[in-house]
Amino acid sequence: DSGVTQTPKHLITATGQRVTLRCSPRSGDLSVYWYQQSLDQGLQFLIQYYNGEERAKGNILERFSAQQFPDLHSELNLSSLELGDSALYFCASSVDGGGNEQFFGPGTRLTVL
Amino acid sequence: GQNIDQPTEMTATEGAIVQINCTYQTSGFNGLFWYQQHAGEAPTFLSYNVLDGLEEKGRFSSFLSRSKGYSYLLLKELQMKDSASYLCAVDGDSNYQLIWGAGTKLIIKP
Repeated sequence: DSGVTQTPKHLITATGQRVTLRCSPRSGDLSVYWYQQSLDQGLQFLIQYYNGEERAKGNILERFSAQQFPDLHSELNLSSLELGDSALYFCASSVDGGGNEQFFGPGTRLTVL
Repeated sequence: GQNIDQPTEMTATEGAIVQINCTYQTSGFNGLFWYQQHAGEAPTFLSYNVLDGLEEKGRFSSFLSRSKGYSYLLLKELQMKDSASYLCAVDGDSNYQLIWGAGTKLIIKP
């Protein structure tokens, strides 16, 4: 158990809908990262927050947004969902950004029908 | 640009030794991570190399050559449970994010 929690574990929804994925980092970790992993693909970095502020942005679509709250939990919002958005979404946390080990949550499996 | 290369897939036999290579071209270098990921599960940390040389941790060892932009993960006494993807990631600069390779899928055969 990495100490990072994600909810829900599974999510099934329809095209055009909007969903919110939630992540709670390990106690003491200030950075949260979001990744997307499509079937048999590598990890695609989406976005990073550090202590409530956006720190780095990767290949995140404009339909996707995220935020980190004062209690350091984070939410990833996906809107106008398309079939291609079906993937595993991982949240990871680290003490700080950059060279620190990232601890991954169990992921949310999103299926868009 | 920034790039990390790993073989897509490798096959090895139970009880044998396998070496998974990772080459990188990044604008900077602070360290290199190896993670293991079983299918459908979260990546888990294996090793972190900052200095050149070999670091051994049980059945797993990781090697780094900064001058060559090269690392490898060595797995000894392979077990069926080692069947997984192995991800190489570089802490390349001050952009606060890791640069991830696509991963190497390791298949262990009896």
